[in-house]
Amino acid sequence: NAGVTQTPKFQVLKTGQSMTLQCAQDMNHNSMYWYRQDPGMGLRLIYYSASEGTTDKGEVPNGYNVSRLNKREFSLRLESAAPSQTSVYFCASSEGGWRVANYGYTFGSGTRLTVV
Amino acid sequence: DAKTTQPNSMESNEEEPVHLPCNHSTISGTDYIHWYRQLPSQGPEYVIHGLTSNVNNRMASLAIAEDRKSSTLILHRATLRDAAVYYCILRRYTGTASKLTFGTGTRLQVTL
Repeated sequence: NAGVTQTPKFQVLKTGQSMTLQCAQDMNHNSMYWYRQDPGMGLRLIYYSASEGTTDKGEVPNGYNVSRLNKREFSLRLESAAPSQTSVYFCASSEGGWRVANYGYTFGSGTRLTVV
Repeated sequence: DAKTTQPNSMESNEEEPVHLPCNHSTISGTDYIHWYRQLPSQGPEYVIHGLTSNVNNRMASLAIAEDRKSSTLILHRATLRDAAVYYCILRRYTGTASKLTFGTGTRLQVTL
């Protein structure tokens, strides 16, 4: 049981380049989330998908787009990378529905992105 | 989202119990109290959660005050592997999704 799998684990981009971070979960969870964590800081929510077919902005969505490809996969795209997007990116999933607050999140191991 | 307040850091000796406090004076009746921890260079890991009653699992215990304005995560015997940042988070279902909003947490140091 893999849980939440993120690819790639490390990436270096030049300013202006684009890339897509991939996330897949095998727990049949309804909700998926993308967070970023800057050095010495807590995690901040970028985008989330409450269920397949829906996406919503979180706290820091500017410069990012997301796609909920199917129930398993939720990708994060940087269209034109900037040095301010240097961070560690975490994907997470959880149960959804009316009981959603009563379940924990499962996080991936993260993608360390550096934009030079 | 309702806010939580935690000490920035705490220290503990190995094999001693650790009590990590969290204040959440603006908690609402539908907020669940969640605890996560983040080991160095890893993603956050779910520890425990509760609503009103104290909770126990294989990792820890959660003690919730009667008025729910504070809670305490209890590690019964700290080990070096418990050194991590511990986050206390209130999770509320808003009708579409219930999001976790992270603060800066408590950094727990465990020494021999």
